[in-house]
Amino acid sequence: QLVLTQSPSASASLGASVRLTCTLSSGHSSYAIAWHQQKPQTGPRFLMKLNSDGSHTKGDGVPDRFSGSSSGDERYLTISSLQSEDEADYYCQTWGRGMPWVFGGGTKLTVL
Amino acid sequence: EVQLVQSGAEVKKSGESLRISCQASGYTFSIYWIVWVRQLPGKGLELMGRIYPTDSDTRYSPSFQGQVTISVDRSISTAYLEWSSLKASDTAVYYCARQARDGDYVDSWGQGTLTSVSS
Repeated sequence: QLVLTQSPSASASLGASVRLTCTLSSGHSSYAIAWHQQKPQTGPRFLMKLNSDGSHTKGDGVPDRFSGSSSGDERYLTISSLQSEDEADYYCQTWGRGMPWVFGGGTKLTVL
Repeated sequence: EVQLVQSGAEVKKSGESLRISCQASGYTFSIYWIVWVRQLPGKGLELMGRIYPTDSDTRYSPSFQGQVTISVDRSISTAYLEWSSLKASDTAVYYCARQARDGDYVDSWGQGTLTSVSS
């Protein structure tokens, strides 16, 4: 069964870097994912598609501070030079041939 | 610029019907799947279903099959999500979104439609 696991919360200081993790269920380490950002009281925003080899394609206007990487069954979203506006929920999403889409449970990022 | 503009907030009673809309612009509407996603209060994102405007091929997630109807009007580049009989448990924000061409993921989101259903 295709499942994505995210830590419920993360925090980091203003100006620092933070790495959020999305873990694919066993047997799905070749899968690509997408990262989405949802600020409070707003709709989600597509950040990037992230492949298993770490290559990624960002959405329009996504700052260079946002980057993605992969290792085995883990997919990462790194945000550098954290700003207060980065405080949001971050969701990963994946898909498989013939399988329904899956969203991770989301990580709530707090900027200290 | 890709834009998905959804209809405004709704306040309904249990048992009433509802149709919300999502008007697309800035791209060729017919060749991208449109997806509907539900977000219950304080919860995460759930895929409800999707539709391919070219031929109205529609796929529903198991939890939503028979509960909602997804449709499109290609002439006005608009997708719809419809209920025939709302329940209080349908209270949520509903997002339409565009599915990318190189994978089953969302690459553009609508702003959401808040739907409140009272019993």
